Amino acid sequence: GIQVEQSPPDLILQEGANSTLRCNFSDSVNNLQWFHQNPWGQLINLFYIPSGTKQNGRLSATTVATERYSLLYISSSQTTDSGVYFCVPSSNTGKLIFGQGTTLQVKP
Amino acid sequence: EAQVTQNPRYLITVTGKKLTVTCSQNMNHEYMSWYRQDPGLGLRQIYYSMNVEVTDKGDVPEGYKVSRKEKRNFPLILESPSPNQTSLYFCASRTTWDTEAFFGQGTRLTVV
Repeated sequence: GIQVEQSPPDLILQEGANSTLRCNFSDSVNNLQWFHQNPWGQLINLFYIPSGTKQNGRLSATTVATERYSLLYISSSQTTDSGVYFCVPSSNTGKLIFGQGTTLQVKP
Repeated sequence: EAQVTQNPRYLITVTGKKLTVTCSQNMNHEYMSWYRQDPGLGLRQIYYSMNVEVTDKGDVPEGYKVSRKEKRNFPLILESPSPNQTSLYFCASRTTWDTEAFFGQGTRLTVV
């Protein structure tokens, strides 16, 4: 099955800093999403991005499907950005494939 | 507002007492699924449903049942809960198997 590797596993930032999270996946995928799991456990949709680049406020994402990776950019980080970020492709049965994620802590 | 609603949000129960976690979506999605999240194991799929009356096992179906009698609802049934089913449960829905997925708020279940 598809394997997902995210880096870095843990990241500590000072408020206002920028960061790039990377996701590599082992096989070609038809779709890919980025989620943020906040400290209360909720999974929040960030991007649905099978390919190309999208931006939403301080966040943007790029997926290069042919090279099997995706990037999530966080600019001017805020304490509310803390949590775990998941890059999630789907299998051909629709199963969402979660890796271990990147745990981000933004300090004030 | 488009949403996936799970109930209850928190539940503490005793071993062997049957329980149902409900999941409802108002987006007319065909595909719905259940996941459990455990420390060190990530999120794993329990069951999924491609459409009404069509359900199939995911990676960890043992101890769970589901039904899909109508498009909007996909309840998760634990007929005889055990402590190893203590977990954070999520329901997800999407238009079809390969479109954007949306999650419910999660249900934190403790079985004592």
